[in-house]
Amino acid sequence: DVKVTQSSRYLVKRTGEKVFLECVQDMDHENMFWYRQDPGLGLRLIYFSYDVKMKEKGDIPEGYSVSREKKERFSLILESASTNQTSMYLCASSSPNREQGQPQHFGDGTRLSIL
Amino acid sequence: AQSVTQLGSHVSVSEGALVLLRCNYSSSVPPYLFWYVQYPNQGLQLLLKYTSAATLVKGINGFEAEFKKSETSFHLTKPSAHMSDAAEYFCAANTGGFKTIFGAGTRLFVKA
Repeated sequence: DVKVTQSSRYLVKRTGEKVFLECVQDMDHENMFWYRQDPGLGLRLIYFSYDVKMKEKGDIPEGYSVSREKKERFSLILESASTNQTSMYLCASSSPNREQGQPQHFGDGTRLSIL
Repeated sequence: AQSVTQLGSHVSVSEGALVLLRCNYSSSVPPYLFWYVQYPNQGLQLLLKYTSAATLVKGINGFEAEFKKSETSFHLTKPSAHMSDAAEYFCAANTGGFKTIFGAGTRLFVKA
């Protein structure tokens, strides 16, 4: 079965800390994504990557960076965590198969609290 | 610009009743369309997808959706709700690029 694994389900950090969220997929997908999910706002795209070492800003990249050194792993970095980054973070991956519309496969999410 | 609108942030139905979750899209080209379901404390799971092969699409757990180009709609239905259907549902659209646009979500409540 296909799998997207996020390293932590729950995480509590303090303001100013550098925070790493890790995501690994076993489907050999080229595309990987990081979203944050907040009540009433749906999913908002932070960053995505369509190949190793390639990254593109999404709709809300401020305060975040990403790293993709290997095809299967995509990391989200909060450079200096702030309380407004308390949220649910979802990682996803997809194959660039345009005929199938590139459906995304999601991890279970990381609920991050910044105190 | 591409957008996805889900009508109703919350929908409540009785067990055994029809489920209807509404989704409209705005796109300059016919998009690929998806419905995802999210159970509490989990990620999103693909329910079904429309890729232009057939306008009526059947998915998992008895759900189906119909693509209506004239109405730019892709509503999700299930003839008889079950308690286990209680979850949040997201409609999404992709016009062939990297990015998929998600609606804000509709939370479905099922009453016994």
